[in-house]
Amino acid sequence: AQTVTQSQPEMSVQEAETVTLSCTYDTSESDYYLFWYKQPPSRQMILVIRQEAYKQQNATENRFSVNFQKAAKSFSLKISDSQLGDAAMYFCAYRRRMIQGAQKLVFGQGTRLTINP
Amino acid sequence: DGGITQSPKYLFRKEGQNVTLSCEQNLNHDAMYWYRQDPGQGLRLIYYSQIVNDFQKGDIAECYSVSREKKESFPLTVTSAQKNPTAFYLCARSSPSGTPDNSPLHFGNGTRLTVT
Repeated sequence: AQTVTQSQPEMSVQEAETVTLSCTYDTSESDYYLFWYKQPPSRQMILVIRQEAYKQQNATENRFSVNFQKAAKSFSLKISDSQLGDAAMYFCAYRRRMIQGAQKLVFGQGTRLTINP
Repeated sequence: DGGITQSPKYLFRKEGQNVTLSCEQNLNHDAMYWYRQDPGQGLRLIYYSQIVNDFQKGDIAECYSVSREKKESFPLTVTSAQKNPTAFYLCARSSPSGTPDNSPLHFGNGTRLTVT
C-alpha cells in the first residue's frame, strides 16, 4: 500500500520569506501523480499544485513550486514571498495513474503553516 | 464549493444514534468519495462510488455505510457502532470524463460531526 509522510507537523515563516514543506512517499508504482492541497481555517480543500511522475520538470504555479525527486520519493513544496493568506494546513497527496477507475488519493498527515507578520 | 454541497456544516448527535451526512453534486460526475479528517492524521478514505448502485470500501469503512441510488447523491451514515465518530467529514467528486488524467479531486466544504 502507498503511504505519504509529512514529517513537519508545524512550520512558521516570516511574511515575504520563503518556506519549504517536506513530503515523502512510498510506492512500488512508477506512474503516478502527486498533489499539494491547502486547507485554510474555512476547511475548504484547495488544490495548490500537481506533479506528474513521468515529467522530470518540476511544477510551478506562481509563488508555489515543487522539488520532485523521484528516486528519493520526495515531493517538497516551496512557497516564495510568503503572504498572510498562505497560512493554512498543507497536505501532500498521492494517486496512482489509472486510465479508468477511482481517483483515490492517499494523504499525508499535514503541516500547519503559520505566517508571522 | 466546486459543484459539490455538503450539509449541514455542523451536526450534533447523542451517542447511540445513527446519523446521516448529506453530499450532493450538480455536475453529473460519476465518482464520489467520503473522507474522514482527524487532527494529526490527514484525510482517510471511508467509501467511494464510481457509478450508481455501486460503491467500494476505503481504508476505514467499518461502522459506516453509504448508498448511491442517484448519481448526484452519495450520503454517508455513521452508525451508532462507530467508537469515535466525532470528526470532520469531507465529500469529494472526481473531475468529469474527458478531462486530463491528472485532474484533482474537488471537495465540498465538509461537515463537522460531534457525538456526545
